[in-house]
Amino acid sequence: GQQVMQIPQYQHVQEGEDFTTYCNSSTTLSNIQWYKQRPGGHPVFLIQLVKSGEVKKQKRLTFQFGEAKKNSSLHITATQTTDVGTYFCAIGSARQLTFGSGTQLTVLP
Amino acid sequence: SAVISQKPSRDICQRGTSLTIQCQVDSQVTMMFWYRQQPGQSLTLIATANQGSEATYESGFVIDKFPISRPNLTFSTLTVSNMSPEDSSIYLCSVLGTPGTSGHRYNEQFFGPGTRLTVL
Repeated sequence: GQQVMQIPQYQHVQEGEDFTTYCNSSTTLSNIQWYKQRPGGHPVFLIQLVKSGEVKKQKRLTFQFGEAKKNSSLHITATQTTDVGTYFCAIGSARQLTFGSGTQLTVLP
Repeated sequence: SAVISQKPSRDICQRGTSLTIQCQVDSQVTMMFWYRQQPGQSLTLIATANQGSEATYESGFVIDKFPISRPNLTFSTLTVSNMSPEDSSIYLCSVLGTPGTSGHRYNEQFFGPGTRLTVL
């Protein structure tokens, strides 16, 4: 099945700094989803990207889907302590999602 | 969004025993899934629970080890059989949001709170 690489594995930032996590696939993707998992919590859906070059924003979060639909990024502007958690991308069909390895974000106050 | 509950929330079990995890959804859903998340790791799909028929297992997971029931459209169970310490994980059920229904725009998955299993 399809696989996706996610980097970095860990990121420590000072509160107020920006943060970006990247997902890359060797094959063209039909869509990509992003989830956030707070420490001790369960994954929560953030967004789905479908179109080539698509950019979507949710407050301080910006999601991008590459022109070739092989990569995606999640960028957080001016991180806050509430952004702490692990961010996962996920690819595949609705019936079979494959999750990236995740990026664990730590925000230092 | 669907409200999902899981029981138990956590358990500590002895090697060789079995544990059945329950997943209850507050509305009827077509697709239900079971995932495993080992400490500090990503989520791995175990199987899709099909109502009225046998579950569909992913590579590396077998029915004898992880039998699944899906008696109706709001409930499923996952049993972890003949447990070993390597089975220590968080087990999560999820359901598929259906586009077009109230509040759903995408085929996102909604996850239950998870069951934290420790096998000694």
